[in-house]
Amino acid sequence: EDQVTQSPEALRLQEGESSSLNCSYTVSGLRGLFWYRQDPGKGPEFLFTLYSAGEEKEKERLKATLTKKESFLHITAPKPEDSATYLCAVQARAGGTSYGKLTFGQGTILTVHP
Amino acid sequence: NAGVTQTPKFQVLKTGQSMTLQCAQDMNHNSMYWYRQDPGMGLRLIYYSASEGTTDKGEVPNGYNVSRLNKREFSLRLESAAPSQTSVYFCASSERVRETQYFGPGTRLLVL
Repeated sequence: EDQVTQSPEALRLQEGESSSLNCSYTVSGLRGLFWYRQDPGKGPEFLFTLYSAGEEKEKERLKATLTKKESFLHITAPKPEDSATYLCAVQARAGGTSYGKLTFGQGTILTVHP
Repeated sequence: NAGVTQTPKFQVLKTGQSMTLQCAQDMNHNSMYWYRQDPGMGLRLIYYSASEGTTDKGEVPNGYNVSRLNKREFSLRLESAAPSQTSVYFCASSERVRETQYFGPGTRLLVL
């Protein structure tokens, strides 16, 4: 069974204080690992897809990296508007009855104080 | 483009009542999905439609039915609502199965 564990559950940062969020996963052949941002009362907003170990993607102050067992979302010099819940999800490689199912972690709640 | 839209935004039901949640996408995507999000449980897939004319069960299908009305619309029906179905429901779509999924704003459902 595919599993995703995110840590920490909650993270409080001061504006400008860089940090990382962790996503550990077990999956029967990884097709892709997805990062989403979710603001309170809103739907998840797509950020990145990573497909293979060693891959990195960047968007503004966010950088996502991938190893064979985990992914990190690095936040550099965060601002208050980066406050949100960050969700990680994995998708298994095609085969059998695979249908593109995303298995989500429970998320990390990030709060950035001015 | 509006992306993925959902109606209603919020609904209160009594146990045993029925209702249909509506979802539409304007991105010409082939695949559509229904998830529920509960505290401490993450997002869980209820049903999905890989393409127009097909639907299949996800992780937690009991108590729900779906209809893929056309390529744009995918509805979720609760025939007899139960308090355990109190949740936030999200619809998502993707160009094809196994492509990036894009989510709607959600429907908050309270079953009393």
